[in-house]
Amino acid sequence: DAGVTQSPTHLIKTRGQQVTLRCSPISGHKSVSWYQQVLGQGPQFIFQYYEKEERGRGNFPDRFSARQFPNYSSELNVNALLLGDSALYLCASSRTGSPDTQYFGPGTRLTVL
Amino acid sequence: AQSVTQLGSHVSVSEGALVLLRCNYSSSVPPYLFWYVQYPNQGLQLLLKYTTGATLVKGINGFEAEFKKSETSFHLTKPSAHMSDAAEYFCAVIKTSNTGKLIFGQGTTLQVKP
Repeated sequence: DAGVTQSPTHLIKTRGQQVTLRCSPISGHKSVSWYQQVLGQGPQFIFQYYEKEERGRGNFPDRFSARQFPNYSSELNVNALLLGDSALYLCASSRTGSPDTQYFGPGTRLTVL
Repeated sequence: AQSVTQLGSHVSVSEGALVLLRCNYSSSVPPYLFWYVQYPNQGLQLLLKYTTGATLVKGINGFEAEFKKSETSFHLTKPSAHMSDAAEYFCAVIKTSNTGKLIFGQGTTLQVKP
C-alpha cells in the first residue's frame, strides 16, 4: 500500500504570498494531521482533521487554515507568508481521530524569501 | 501541560557500540509514547510505540524501548550501532484523553563513528 503522499516537494515563495500544500493519507485512514518543523527543532502540531471536521488546532495564527475533503485528502493554506514560515511541513495520517499511531509523509519544504 | 524532554541533542557512538537515547515525559494521564527517526531531507519514520500492555517494546532495525511509569521515561536502545543508524531521533507523546496531537521532543542527532 502507498504511504502518505505530499505535494509539492519543494516550494519557494516571497513574503506576503499565499501557499497551498496537499496531502493524501494512507488508504483506509480517516484522519490527517499537519505539523511544522523548523530547522533544528521537533515538529509542532498545527491541525488535526477527522471525517472532514477539525479535531484540534495548535498555537498558530489565523493565517494558517486547513480542510479535509470527502476522500480524506487534505490541504494546508498559509496566507500572508512571513520569513518565519520557512520550514518543513509534514502531514501525518491515522485510522481514527482518537489517540492513534500517526504515519508521516515526506514533507513539503517551504522557503519564504 | 504535557512535555517531552530528550536528554542530549547530540549523541556519538562507535559502530558496534550500545545506543542509548533518553526521553522523559510529563503527563497527568497515561500517554501513548512513540519514537520516530528522520533521515536527512526526509519525513518521519515510526520506529516503535507503546500504548498499553508489555512495557518493553521492540521496533524496527533492532531498536527497543522500555516504558517506566515510575521514572516517566521511555529510553530508546539498540545493542549494536550500525553506520546506517546515523539520523535524527524524536520521542513523542499523545495524551490518551486527548485527540491526535503529537507532542515532540527537540530531537537527538545520533552520530555513528567507524
